[in-house]
Amino acid sequence: AQTVTQSQPEMSVQEAETVTLSCTYDTSESDYYLFWYKQPPSRQMILVIRQEAYKQQNATENRFSVNFQKAAKSFSLKISDSQLGDAAMYFCAYRSRAGGADGLTFGKGTHLIIQP
Amino acid sequence: EPEVTQTPSHQVTQMGQEVILRCVPISNHLYFYWYRQILGQKVEFLVSFYNNEISEKSEIFDDQFSVERPDGSNFTLKIRSTKLEDSAMYFCASSGDRINQPQHFGDGTRLSIL
Repeated sequence: AQTVTQSQPEMSVQEAETVTLSCTYDTSESDYYLFWYKQPPSRQMILVIRQEAYKQQNATENRFSVNFQKAAKSFSLKISDSQLGDAAMYFCAYRSRAGGADGLTFGKGTHLIIQP
Repeated sequence: EPEVTQTPSHQVTQMGQEVILRCVPISNHLYFYWYRQILGQKVEFLVSFYNNEISEKSEIFDDQFSVERPDGSNFTLKIRSTKLEDSAMYFCASSGDRINQPQHFGDGTRLSIL
């Protein structure tokens, strides 16, 4: 079974600065998806960014980018120019692509605090 | 932008009672999911549903749970004989396909068992 580990329960960053959230995962599969979801206090899970394992290029969405290291099974999220609205729980998630499980496997989350 | 909607936002139920959580997935989506998040813990997959039948379920999803798509728009999670440990946030999600499209989540239903 796949596992997802987020080793940082909480991170704090000054507004406008850059922060990196860590995620590692364990799998025997070669083809899969990785996601970062944001969960603000309103509780809705919002997709931030997605990475396909077969793509070497790191995904980027505006101020959000990932550092995907397939061999190391690492998938970190970098948030540039942090804004107050970025404050939330961030969950890393894994999903099999080729005939694997339907459900997402989540990490325990990182609570991101933005200091004004 | 289309959204997954869940009702109610908060449900309080006496232990032992049955509860039905409701979800309206995005209209052209075909795959539906339920997840659970116990307070302070990670989100856990419960079940996926496609073509009017369960596609996959986790070991959490035992005989106490059932899912149904009673009409063309709603997707429900029924919990029979609720227990205190069923208290959690329950999220519904939907996706356009199983592989290539991401799952979109609703706002969740907070279930409190007294």
